[in-house]
Amino acid sequence: GDSVTQMEGPVTLSEEAFLTINCTYTATGYPSLFWYVQYPGEGLQLLLKATKADDKGSNKGFEATYRKETTSFHLEKGSVQVSDSAVYFCALPVSSGSARQLTFGSGTQLTVLP
Amino acid sequence: GAGVSQTPSNKVTEKGKYVELRCDPISGHTALYWYRQSLGQGPEFLIYFQGTGAADDSGLPNDRFFAVRPEGSVSTLKIQRTERGDSAVYLCASSLNGGRNTEAFFGQGTRLTVV
Repeated sequence: GDSVTQMEGPVTLSEEAFLTINCTYTATGYPSLFWYVQYPGEGLQLLLKATKADDKGSNKGFEATYRKETTSFHLEKGSVQVSDSAVYFCALPVSSGSARQLTFGSGTQLTVLP
Repeated sequence: GAGVSQTPSNKVTEKGKYVELRCDPISGHTALYWYRQSLGQGPEFLIYFQGTGAADDSGLPNDRFFAVRPEGSVSTLKIQRTERGDSAVYLCASSLNGGRNTEAFFGQGTRLTVV
């Protein structure tokens, strides 16, 4: 079935370092792909999305490109900040009957040190 | 309200007791989802409502779990005869129409601890 495999953490970086969090997927067809973020004490929030192959989603300095040939959607940021410390989840929507639920990766905990 | 609201934020209950968790979705959103998130894991799907009806309850782990959405807005997740393994964060999400590429908005979750 449809699934995502996400780089395991935790990841600890110094401020202004480069970030990559890997995500690969298995899916029927070409669904949209999402990155969600969970800041401490807050609910999951959509960070960015890409709706078709070769699309690049971007938000808050983060980027991810939908790569059909490598079935990947890696999250990158050129210069992380302390405020980026959070848990990041890769996700894709799956279809099961009439359902449109999301399937999530296991999450990557990012800690950015000043 | 502006976002998805879940109450209570924390619930501690004794093994064997019954609990209800409430979700108030974004006004006008017809699709509502319940997920369960265990420590160190991503959210796992439980049930999906389109309007008042449960369109897919395939993620409910067993018949101790049940959810309703009688008027197509607020939903309640009910757990009977709670077990320690039910301890997790229960997340609710809503989206405008449940489309496959439609953004889902999540609440902050209810942390359930069964002692």
